[in-house]
Amino acid sequence: AQKITQTQPGMFVQEKEAVTLDCTYDTSDPSYGLFWYKQPSSGEMIFLIYQGSYDQQNATEGRYSLNFQKARKSANLVISASQLGDSAMYFCAMRPTMDSSYKLIFGSGTRLLVRP
Amino acid sequence: EAQVTQNPRYLITVTGKKLTVTCSQNMNHEYMSWYRQDPGLGLRQIYYSMNVEVTDKGDVPEGYKVSRKEKRNFPLILESPSPNQTSLYFCASSLFGQSHNEQFFGPGTRLTVL
Repeated sequence: AQKITQTQPGMFVQEKEAVTLDCTYDTSDPSYGLFWYKQPSSGEMIFLIYQGSYDQQNATEGRYSLNFQKARKSANLVISASQLGDSAMYFCAMRPTMDSSYKLIFGSGTRLLVRP
Repeated sequence: EAQVTQNPRYLITVTGKKLTVTCSQNMNHEYMSWYRQDPGLGLRQIYYSMNVEVTDKGDVPEGYKVSRKEKRNFPLILESPSPNQTSLYFCASSLFGQSHNEQFFGPGTRLTVL
């Protein structure tokens, strides 16, 4: 079964510290994409970062980096130097290339609260 | 500005009263999709469309209909809404074909069915 698991329903982090949000995935497809989205309290879905299953290097986008460990089937999001505006819900998602629906498979999300 | 728009943003209705949520994108994307978001379940795909006049069921299609008569529009239709369709709905669009293609999401429609 194709599945994304986010085991941390909620997390706290102190402002300016780094935080890691966990994501593990399950797929039999040899080719897939992994995405992280941020959902602030206003509700919109904001794309953060993408990692391809054949990418040799971990993806980075500003303060966001993706710790991709293919053998462990994990794709953890690392946010460096947390800011108050990082408080939001974070979703990990996967798109198996062979899935004809081209859909994103989402995890249940992790709510991050940044403390001042 | 490249965007996906949805209307209405908020809707409270009663059981059985037909409603339509509109979705429009201005990026000339072939692929469009509807998701619903429920607490603890993340987002789940309802229907998707690969191009004009090509639509197919996602993971949770029961109680919904869609149409794709124009490339930019992909309305979601609830013929006879029920309380279990109370949810946050997102329309998304993307180019089709590559695994790295980002899906652009609309702002969401919060639907309550009484």
